[in-house]
Amino acid sequence: AQSVAQPEDQVNVAEGNPLTVKCTYSVSGNPYLFWYVQYPNRGLQFLLKYITGDNLVKGSYGFEAEFNKSQTSFHLKKPSALVSDSALYFCAVRDRGSNYQLIWGAGTKLIIKP
Amino acid sequence: KAGVTQTPRYLIKTRGQQVTLSCSPISGHRSVSWYQQTPGQGLQFLFEYFSETQRNKGNFPGRFSGRQFSNSRSEMNVSTLELGDSALYLCASSLGDSLSTDTQYFGPGTRLTVL
Repeated sequence: AQSVAQPEDQVNVAEGNPLTVKCTYSVSGNPYLFWYVQYPNRGLQFLLKYITGDNLVKGSYGFEAEFNKSQTSFHLKKPSALVSDSALYFCAVRDRGSNYQLIWGAGTKLIIKP
Repeated sequence: KAGVTQTPRYLIKTRGQQVTLSCSPISGHRSVSWYQQTPGQGLQFLFEYFSETQRNKGNFPGRFSGRQFSNSRSEMNVSTLELGDSALYLCASSLGDSLSTDTQYFGPGTRLTVL
């Protein structure tokens, strides 16, 4: 079965510093990977996805993610964190075995301190 | 374009009752998926509808059901509510033409509390 792991429950970063939220995956075949963000009492907002092509994917709000096939990772990054980036971040992968259902990571709480 | 809308936003029910949640997808989207989000279990997939047909289903009991109408609007029903059904129910819509690469866009959710 395909799966995705977010190894950190929480990440703390000072405002202005670069941030990384980690995601690793386990799939058979080509991975289709997604990042979403959830603000308190809100639904999920799409940030970016990797389907094929360039390993560096650029998304919304200045976020980008690097696909690394050898390390089976898809880490989310931003060069300079804002306090408003504080939220819950989810990584997800399409599961070919279950008709391409989205399989979700447990989420990482990102806290940006002023 | 208007985003995904869900009604109602908040619901309080008692055990044994049933509830119906509604979702209106983004215009032009033909696929609607439903998720349950709880602090303990995270995001769990309930089912997906495409062109009025259930195309995919998660591992939830039969008390959870859904349907999709010809205008792509979808409803989800939970019968015989249990305390453990308290959760945020999220609806997501997508174009539906590519299972593997489609991007899902989420509504704000319906917060269901079962007393």
